[in-house]
Amino acid sequence: AQKITQTQPGMFVQEKEAVTLDCTYDTSDPSYGLFWYKQPSSGEMIFLIYQGSYDQQNATEGRYSLNFQKARKSANLVISASQLGDSAMYFCAMREGRVDSNYQLIWGAGTKLIIKP
Amino acid sequence: EPEVTQTPSHQVTQMGQEVILRCVPISNHLYFYWYRQILGQKVEFLVSFYNNEISEKSEIFDDQFSVERPDGSNFTLKIRSTKLEDSAMYFCASSARLTGYNEQFFGPGTRLTVL
Repeated sequence: AQKITQTQPGMFVQEKEAVTLDCTYDTSDPSYGLFWYKQPSSGEMIFLIYQGSYDQQNATEGRYSLNFQKARKSANLVISASQLGDSAMYFCAMREGRVDSNYQLIWGAGTKLIIKP
Repeated sequence: EPEVTQTPSHQVTQMGQEVILRCVPISNHLYFYWYRQILGQKVEFLVSFYNNEISEKSEIFDDQFSVERPDGSNFTLKIRSTKLEDSAMYFCASSARLTGYNEQFFGPGTRLTVL
């Protein structure tokens, strides 16, 4: 079974509009962390935002916010006021808090976001 | 701002040859990782490394793979006899700690092409 599911393989959004990238996850571990990374066409992996399973509030980092709905096991990334430079692949990843694990990241398939001028 | 570096940025090799991918993690980080991403596919975990030993590895990380921290700064991934299916982008990552907020900082990647 997929641990991380990103249902949107691709999205087109008009510049300056807000965009929501979907991510659902599956874990039985009560302790986990959720990450979003951005991968531009140049290939590097850029950390965007983190949400811990025990965090009471949704994470925010500048124009990025995470809509964390624990009961639904979803952690959608919201980008406000999108910019042309936001065009990239976006990956959702999860770290499960197993005691004997070094907390490898488990990745979704990604969403390719294209911002239109 | 400290960053993870990787060399080379692109490696082309013949099938059956050995390759060594190099990484310099962030200097005060203790946990090191290798991931790979086959073109157009999701990122896959290969191995994590702490205190000079492998702490976790995936099914992908078979006997053809090995990792080493030969000195205080480098972290290497060796593939002994490359196969066509090893062609991928290989990412090194490091993190400062294990518990709680464990942001893994990624290097720019090495694109390995096996011919």
